[in-house]
Amino acid sequence: GAGVSQSPSNKVTEKGKDVELRCDPISGHTALYWYRQSLGQGLEFLIYFQGNSAPDKSGLPSDRFSAERTGGSVSTLTIQRTQQEDSAVYLCASSLFGDKNEKLFFGSGTQLSVL
Amino acid sequence: KQEVTQIPAALSVPEGENLVLNCSFTDSAIYNLQWFRQDPGKGLTSLLLIQSSQREQTSGRLNASLDKSSGRSTLYIAASQPGDSATYLCAVRTGGFKTIFGAGTRLFVKA
Repeated sequence: GAGVSQSPSNKVTEKGKDVELRCDPISGHTALYWYRQSLGQGLEFLIYFQGNSAPDKSGLPSDRFSAERTGGSVSTLTIQRTQQEDSAVYLCASSLFGDKNEKLFFGSGTQLSVL
Repeated sequence: KQEVTQIPAALSVPEGENLVLNCSFTDSAIYNLQWFRQDPGKGLTSLLLIQSSQREQTSGRLNASLDKSSGRSTLYIAASQPGDSATYLCAVRTGGFKTIFGAGTRLFVKA
């Protein structure tokens, strides 16, 4: 696609429910990143994919968070048993090869609200 | 642990003014530094990327400088316009795959 696409744009859920957030990177981009932006905070790194592999999962805050990527394209971030502190904007980014000096291209994010 | 700080947190200027946004980082072992723009409800747009071997990058009315040894970068915006109103984020790429972001500077340019 022309840009990084994320869905849904907004998600309201009840505490304890599971949610899935989707990211469709720019076509041909092999590197994909998930970040979380809480109100008034900087972006927090969650996980990095190179192809379908995740060499760096160090930012996932707990075992309730998981992510997968299939076909080297679409990625899904799953949050199980959501908590109120999970409320944030979840942003996805991609780059062509994952080289250190490549620009990152971001999607518009998913605003997650846990009631 | 790398930390990125941006000052000021918010800035309001009249249209036409030249302005400087500041970014500092604690560990000089970086691969690059990027400046991003974020509009409300939208994702981030990369404005400029300075590699660790470079001193500055320019794009239109924007100029970003990098002093790696002192852990500082500045984003200079010339002749500011109301359309420049947004949050500006500074980010450094460290070893591995992470890009570490500052909390941003909220800029408002008054017409």
